Amino acid sequence: DVKVTQSSRYLVKRTGEKVFLECVQDMDHENMFWYRQDPGLGLRLIYFSYDVKMKEKGDIPEGYSVSREKKERFSLILESASTNQTSMYLCASKDWGRGAFFGQGTRLTVV
Amino acid sequence: DAKTTQPPSMDCAEGRAANLPCNHSTISGNEYVYWYRQIHSQGPQYIIHGLKNNETNEMASLIITEDRKSSTLILPHATLRDTAVYYCIVVTQGGSEKLVFGKGTKLTVNP
Repeated sequence: DVKVTQSSRYLVKRTGEKVFLECVQDMDHENMFWYRQDPGLGLRLIYFSYDVKMKEKGDIPEGYSVSREKKERFSLILESASTNQTSMYLCASKDWGRGAFFGQGTRLTVV
Repeated sequence: DAKTTQPPSMDCAEGRAANLPCNHSTISGNEYVYWYRQIHSQGPQYIIHGLKNNETNEMASLIITEDRKSSTLILPHATLRDTAVYYCIVVTQGGSEKLVFGKGTKLTVNP
């Protein structure tokens, strides 16, 4: 089975901290995605990557950056965390022409 | 990517077929229709996808109209565990496969 693993289920950080959310997939998928999910707003795409070192902005990239140095790992970075970035973050990976697999999510609270 | 329109909520009796509609009237020739579902507090799960032919797998059937402007996901014998938010999205294949989710349909299966 495909596995998409997010490094933490729950995370609490302080305002202004630099935060790294890590995602690792074990199926050699080309495409990886980061989303945030908030009540009433659904799943919103932050960034995605279709190859190592390649990245594209999603619908809400402001305040975030990403890194994909290796194919299996896609990191989401909050350069200076703010309270409005408190959310559930979901990572996904996908092979060409197939369905995506999602991680279990990281619930980030910024205080 | 083309946008999709889904009803915000639907109800279904346990054991009956659940038919979830999706409108994608601006879909283009190289865009596939994908369906996912998200059970509360879990990451989304891939269900099925198709281009123009009807598709069936162990989870569901996908019926796509001849003009490809709409589709229906069919859960033939809904159970209480099928209560979830169901997302219909369209994906351009062959390039960067950006996945953008809408609000989906909240399906409630009632005993």
